[in-house]
Parts: sequence; structure tokens; C-alpha cells
Amino acid sequence: EVQLVESGGGLVQPGGSLRLSCAASGFTFSSYWMHWVRQAPGKGLVWVSRINSDGSSTSYADSVKGRFTISRDNAKNTLYLQMNSLRAEDTAVYYCARGDVWEPWGQGTLVTVSS
Amino acid sequence: SYELTQPSSVSVSPGQTARITCSGDVLAKKYARWFQQKPGQAPVLVIYKDSERPSGIPERFSGSSSGTTVTLTISGAQVEDEADYYCYSAADNIRVFGGGTKLTVL
Repeated sequence: EVQLVESGGGLVQPGGSLRLSCAASGFTFSSYWMHWVRQAPGKGLVWVSRINSDGSSTSYADSVKGRFTISRDNAKNTLYLQMNSLRAEDTAVYYCARGDVWEPWGQGTLVTVSS
Repeated sequence: SYELTQPSSVSVSPGQTARITCSGDVLAKKYARWFQQKPGQAPVLVIYKDSERPSGIPERFSGSSSGTTVTLTISGAQVEDEADYYCYSAADNIRVFGGGTKLTVL
């Protein structure tokens, strides 16, 4: 069974950092591009970042460029999102998703940026 | 930057046909996907490549494309189809979701 499990969310102060993880199972992780998508409370889905299958290419939404870094460890079947200089507007549920297929999604991990 | 525009809400009675549109210049050259999201749940893919339906998605869900607009059609909408629906497309290094449409079936 294909499964994505996000973790690492929590409460952080403005300006702080957090690293999210996405543990993948049930498929050949190293063959897929991966994405992070976020959803602020009561708002719509917003694409955040993507990484290619071997980690050599990344891209970011303008709103997080220079602050967030996507990476992956294919040996551990895990995707990461390092989030620095966090702002209140980064408060959201963060989902990871499998590129090309976009199913299934994990249940997400909530990040709350507040003092 | 690319933008995808959806109506904020659509309302139909059970058994009627619901149509949700998504417009954007990128759709003239790139495929769209549609996601369904029910309250408190993760999104679920219901249409890919404009009109293909993943396994397990009911046949009443269909998609079409014309120029810069794609349309999600739910034929004979059921109460359980009430949800938020998002279109999505990608071009170059940009990926974008539409703002979402709340479908009410009552």
C-alpha cells in the first residue's frame, strides 16, 4: 500500500526554524519527483516546492524562495522541508505528494507560527 | 506567474449535473488535474490529464478541456460529492492550484 506520512510540525515563534519530514512506503521512492503543498486554515491549496527523483533539481514558490529548502534521502525513503525565517503567514497544514501521480496524499502536519 | 481561476462556489440539487470551471493561459498547453477535498481530509485526485479518471473514482466524474478552460463535470451529483474542488496545472518550474470551488449538493 502506498503511504506518505508527514511529521515535524508544531508551534514555532516568528523567525524560527522547523524541519518537516515525509516518510514514504509502498512504492519506489527514488523514481518519483516529490512536492510539498500547504493549506492555511480555511484557505485553499498552495504549491510550495518540488524536487526531482535524484535530488539534483528543485524549485520553489516565490513566497518561500530563499527561506525553505527541499531535500530527500532516497536511502531512507524520506522527503524533507527545512523551513527558516518562519512568518505568521507560513501557518498551514503541510502535505507531501508524489509527483506525476499525485495520489495518495498524506494526512499532513500542522505548522503554527506564533509568538 | 501563472494563475488558475475557479468560481468560489457551485450549488446543485442531488441528481443534477454540476460543472466546475477552471481558467488560465497555461491550460492551453498543459494538462490539468482535479482534486476533491472534504472537510478535515487530505485531497484526493479525481481527474488527471484533463479527462482521465483514476481507478476507484466513480464514473459520474468527468473532465474536459477547451482552449484555456477545463471543466470538471459531476453527472448526477450525490450528497457525498459535497466538497471543495481544486484544479492544478504545471508549466516550466511553476506549479499552481486554482483557488478552489465549494460544491454544495442539497
